[in-house]
Amino acid sequence: DTGVSQNPRHKITKRGQNVTFRCDPISEHNRLYWYRQTLGQGPEFLTYFQNEAQLEKSRLLSDRFSAERPKGSFSTLEIQRTEQGDSAMYLCASSPGQGGNQPQHFGDGTRLSIL
Amino acid sequence: AQSVTQLGSHVSVSEGALVLLRCNYSSSVPPYLFWYVQYPNQGLQLLLKYTTGATLVKGINGFEAEFKKSETSFHLTKPSAHMSDAAEYFCAVRGSAGGTSYGKLTFGQGTILTVHP
Repeated sequence: DTGVSQNPRHKITKRGQNVTFRCDPISEHNRLYWYRQTLGQGPEFLTYFQNEAQLEKSRLLSDRFSAERPKGSFSTLEIQRTEQGDSAMYLCASSPGQGGNQPQHFGDGTRLSIL
Repeated sequence: AQSVTQLGSHVSVSEGALVLLRCNYSSSVPPYLFWYVQYPNQGLQLLLKYTTGATLVKGINGFEAEFKKSETSFHLTKPSAHMSDAAEYFCAVRGSAGGTSYGKLTFGQGTILTVHP
């Protein structure tokens, strides 16, 4: 169990550019979640996958955001035409199944800064 | 929909003193409840969880929490604070099966714990 891995750890980009983050979940975890955390706030849910199927998307996930999980393994989160308000920590988590008592295991996040 | 309220955005204690971090939740069905800790520039680490059964839950690093249905609370405690406990703590509730929010966690605003020598 190597834990949830996120890359890059930090991303600095200019407004209007596209960025992509990667998340590698704990192996054999079939659920994968994305959250966004802004300074001084708790994480907010963005979307989650059961294997390769994207089952739920938050209203926070505008048309500029897209997430994929091809083959049900790693996942990518892409933000197009970044805006100042996209600056945040993007957290990925995974869990082993559908049971509500299964805790989500978090990665260390990708911190995005928009210049 | 579920919601979580953490009372007190900052809590300061002396080393060796009791730690009490408050969490109240709102849920129309029996909830699953979690406490996570976050150190600077890191992700969240699970401290403990309540699902069903015993209402007093023990977690890592000497922390425990008690589920009180009548008070809709899930407060986190530790008898004796250590300097290494200084971090931000988040309470979270998980949606129940069949609801639209099933699967995702809803977090409170967080409580920053400071421990003084």
